[in-house]
Amino acid sequence: KNQVEQSPQSLIILEGKNCTLQCNYTVSPFSNLRWYKQDTGRGPVSLTIMTFSENTKSNGRYTATLDADTKQSSLHITASQLSDSASYICVPWFYNNNDMRFGAGTRLTVKP
Amino acid sequence: GAVVSQHPSWVICKSGTSVKIECRSLDFQATTMFWYRQFPKQSLMLMATSNEGSKATYEQGVEKDKFLINHASLTLSTLTVTSAHPEDSSFYICSAHGSRVGEKLFFGSGTQLSVL
Repeated sequence: KNQVEQSPQSLIILEGKNCTLQCNYTVSPFSNLRWYKQDTGRGPVSLTIMTFSENTKSNGRYTATLDADTKQSSLHITASQLSDSASYICVPWFYNNNDMRFGAGTRLTVKP
Repeated sequence: GAVVSQHPSWVICKSGTSVKIECRSLDFQATTMFWYRQFPKQSLMLMATSNEGSKATYEQGVEKDKFLINHASLTLSTLTVTSAHPEDSSFYICSAHGSRVGEKLFFGSGTQLSVL
């Protein structure tokens, strides 16, 4: 069983709408949890980094939340733009041993 | 901000040849670099972790003699796919971070390898 489950696998929304992507993880403990955006054929780009003690962190139109008790994280995108079309990957990271677990990602498509 | 440069961005080679991919940290010292491969519509899969000056640590199932990793300096790591075969065709990505706790992990732009 994958230790990081992301949902939905894919999502299509209209430009300007909001959406929320989910990440459930079983790995514990971890140093921080990261969300990345990956455009097709490109390397991932960091959106947010949260330690286990943080509940929320924002980066522009991206807001990540973390509930360490339920082992859930979410990424909320507001006022979506066409350029938001990409895969969004959730990554819990154990810094001490450089152990990372990559979620399979959610493929977001924003349509005009 | 910090940048990780990966080269080449794409390469086509004949079966049986070796291909070298470079990953450079441009404005910070990368004490640790990671190498991944990614098949279409799938998640990144960690292949190996390399620390400067020491041997790379390979993930289970990754052949160390097939995928040679060298991290000779704090700004350069290389991945050599030896005797490449069509099944090695994939998207290879590197990432790097420095020594500070919680430091950002920066990814290269990836290399698309196609083995004919």
